[in-house]
Amino acid sequence: GQNIDQPTEMTATEGAIVQINCTYQTSGFNGLFWYQQHAGEAPTFLSYNVLDGLEEKGRFSSFLSRSKGYSYLLLKELQMKDSASYLCAPVDSNYQLIWGAGTKLIIKP
Amino acid sequence: DGGITQSPKYLFRKEGQNVTLSCEQNLNHDAMYWYRQDPGQGLRLIYYSQIVNDFQKGDIAEGYSVSREKKESFPLTVTSAQKNPTAFYLCASSISGDNYNEQFFGPGTRLTVL
Repeated sequence: GQNIDQPTEMTATEGAIVQINCTYQTSGFNGLFWYQQHAGEAPTFLSYNVLDGLEEKGRFSSFLSRSKGYSYLLLKELQMKDSASYLCAPVDSNYQLIWGAGTKLIIKP
Repeated sequence: DGGITQSPKYLFRKEGQNVTLSCEQNLNHDAMYWYRQDPGQGLRLIYYSQIVNDFQKGDIAEGYSVSREKKESFPLTVTSAQKNPTAFYLCASSISGDNYNEQFFGPGTRLTVL
């Protein structure tokens, strides 16, 4: 079966760095998306990885290891507005996104 | 402005009534999707359409129906057969459904069945 595993909730301090991990098992693999979702709102795209390694985009970076079925999202210089849920979504062999339950990130002053 | 619209944002219905949720996009995307989101769970795919006049069931299609008569529109009907319809419903679109394309989401409709 297909399975995505992310921590349910994480807490971090404003200005700090946080790493949100995601492990996955899918039928085939065509890359992995990370989305951000504020409470009550729609998910918005953060990153897409298809090759192993780290992709950096401003304060956010995303890492992928296909052999380990593992990805992480790294958020630097945390701001209060980063309080949101972060959704990991690998793409299966049918090009369907398989969504994890998301990690709720709480930022404290 | 290009984007995806969903209406209404909040919807209340009595048990046993069918209700249709609207989804419109002007991004010229071929593929459209309907998801359901419940607290503590990931997005679950209800139906998707890769092209006009064609659609496929997702993981939880029972109790739902869709149509895709126009490229821009993909309405979802929640029927009385859906046992637990109260949820947050999200519509999305992508350039095509046969590749790893980013999905763009509408603002969502929160349906409450009383």
